Amino acid sequence: TQLLEQSPQFLSIQEGENLTVYCNSSSVFSSLQWYRQEPGEGPVLLVTVVTGGEVKKLKRLTFQFGDARKDSSLHITAAQPGDTGLYLCAGERGATNKLIFGTGTLLAVQP
Amino acid sequence: DSGVTQTPKHLITATGQRVTLRCSPRSGDLSVYWYQQSLDQGLQFLIQYYNGEERAKGNILERFSAQQFPDLHSELNLSSLELGDSALYFCASSQTGGAPKNIQYFGAGTRLSVL
Repeated sequence: TQLLEQSPQFLSIQEGENLTVYCNSSSVFSSLQWYRQEPGEGPVLLVTVVTGGEVKKLKRLTFQFGDARKDSSLHITAAQPGDTGLYLCAGERGATNKLIFGTGTLLAVQP
Repeated sequence: DSGVTQTPKHLITATGQRVTLRCSPRSGDLSVYWYQQSLDQGLQFLIQYYNGEERAKGNILERFSAQQFPDLHSELNLSSLELGDSALYFCASSQTGGAPKNIQYFGAGTRLSVL
């Protein structure tokens, strides 16, 4: 059973378009992280959200943590080919810093 | 470059064999985590060590074991390998073992192919 479900699984868009990736769970997390992974590399942390309802912006990327801390979204404005990659959300539970990763969203931005 | 070093980058072996994957954490990081990434299961947490002691266990098979040495590097041992063990294995490190918002830095991974 996958605790964190991401949608969509795959997304292919044109440069300049906007998109939103969703990360949903029935479980509460103490924090939620978003990573981007490129081929042949490990995941790289983009942002951590901790407080329910929190919104964080990283240039053209906007991250939101749900009020109940069970879900999150990632919105990209004016996507660029450099945004191409696998986007993973990961929830943290308990004191061990163990991360539960989502199912992943593979994004391809065509020039 | 995350500062986490994993060796080897690629490993090809046969069913029934045993392999050892090595991870050197970032300088100053006490905690090491091992993850397995496969197409059907996604990225799954295996095990965590903190300053030499096992801290948390995830979906790690009994055929797999890990340890963290006094110099803080870690090894993941996979034995009696099966075709289904073919995957990317990632190591991550962080400064501490339990603080919220503790950032994990991932290595580039070891790609294991079991033939």
